[in-house]
Amino acid sequence: AQSVAQPEDQVNVAEGNPLTVKCTYSVSGNPYLFWYVQYPNRGLQFLLKYITGDNLVKGSYGFEAEFNKSQTSFHLKKPSALVSDSALYFCAVRDVGNTPLVFGKGTRLSVIA
Amino acid sequence: DAGVIQSPRHEVTEMGQEVTLRCKPISGHDYLFWYRQTMMRGLELLIYFNNNVPIDDSGMPEDRFSAKMPNASFSTLKIQPSEPRDSAVYFCASRSAKYNEGQFFGPGTRLTVL
Repeated sequence: AQSVAQPEDQVNVAEGNPLTVKCTYSVSGNPYLFWYVQYPNRGLQFLLKYITGDNLVKGSYGFEAEFNKSQTSFHLKKPSALVSDSALYFCAVRDVGNTPLVFGKGTRLSVIA
Repeated sequence: DAGVIQSPRHEVTEMGQEVTLRCKPISGHDYLFWYRQTMMRGLELLIYFNNNVPIDDSGMPEDRFSAKMPNASFSTLKIQPSEPRDSAVYFCASRSAKYNEGQFFGPGTRLTVL
């Protein structure tokens, strides 16, 4: 069965500092990995995905994520955080088949001015 | 495209009443998903459809919950009778089977059962 772990419920970072939101996954085959962001009272918005190819994936709003197969991780990163990045971030995984995404519990990012 | 459309955006009802949530997926998408989000349990998959056929409803919490997809452009999630513990945000999402895409989410319906 597929699963995703986001070990941190909350991440606090100062504006301008780099940020990392952690994600590890478990899947039987090759993973399709995704990051979504949720702003208050909104639905989940797609940020970026890893399907195949380069392990460093770039996405919306300056975010990027690094796929590490040996550590089964897909951490979300941004070189310089903005206050407007404060939101709830979800990591998700599915295998190569047409199965639903399995989501982590989410990590609340708070960027402090 | 307007994206995934959900209605109503907010619903307040009393315990015991029937609640119907509606979803219009993105045109051309083959898969439709219903999720529930609560503080305690996070984002839970309730049921999903492929080409209007329910594939997995193991996430539906009780027989009080039912979902239908009568055609490719419409789905409903019904709760009858509703209970206070059903209070949550319910999301509909859709995606195409043709591309390596994730799921596209609607804005959600915030349900409050008093």
